[in-house]
Amino acid sequence: EVQLVESGGGLAQPGGSLRLSCAASGFTFSSHSMNWVRQAPGKGLEWISYISSASGIIYYADSVEGRFTISRDNAKNSLYLQMNSLRDEDTAVYYCARDLDTAMGYFDSWGQGTLVTVSS
Amino acid sequence: DIQMTQSPSSVSASVGDRVTITCRASQGIYSWLAWYQQKPGKAPKLLIYAASTLEGWAPSRFSASGSGTDFTLTISSLQPEDFATYYCQQANSFPRTFGGGTKVEIK
Repeated sequence: EVQLVESGGGLAQPGGSLRLSCAASGFTFSSHSMNWVRQAPGKGLEWISYISSASGIIYYADSVEGRFTISRDNAKNSLYLQMNSLRDEDTAVYYCARDLDTAMGYFDSWGQGTLVTVSS
Repeated sequence: DIQMTQSPSSVSASVGDRVTITCRASQGIYSWLAWYQQKPGKAPKLLIYAASTLEGWAPSRFSASGSGTDFTLTISSLQPEDFATYYCQQANSFPRTFGGGTKVEIK
């Protein structure tokens, strides 16, 4: 069974940092590109970052470019999101999501999400 | 960036009703479109991809069509478990973008 489990969320101050992790199991992690998608409270879905299976291709949404860094460790079946210079508007549930197939852009498996709250 | 516009933003319907949701892309995306179902407090679930391909878990009462800029999701006979929010998402290019969502509520 495919499982994605996020961790690392919590309360951070504006300007602060957090590192999210996503532990993958039940599939060959190194064969799939991965994404982070977030959802602010009561709002819709926002894609924020993509990383290819071997980390060679990375994309970011404009809203996080230069502040967030996506990475992965295929040996540890893990995906990461380093979040720096956090803003109030970064408050959201953060999901990791697997691409159905390499770079297809359809998110066929999602974690349960981890809540990030940015507040002083 | 490609903007995705869904309508309506909410719809009230009864069990057994036929429900149609539309999604329009700001530029052509061929058939690079997905639909997701999200229930409160849960992660979204991929429902349809490539504009019309049903995911394995999805009941056959769900169908979808479209290409280019205009897409539709249809629930032929609404069931209690279908009350949820539905999102379209384009996979034609980066940044990936979602529609604003359509909440299907009980009438």
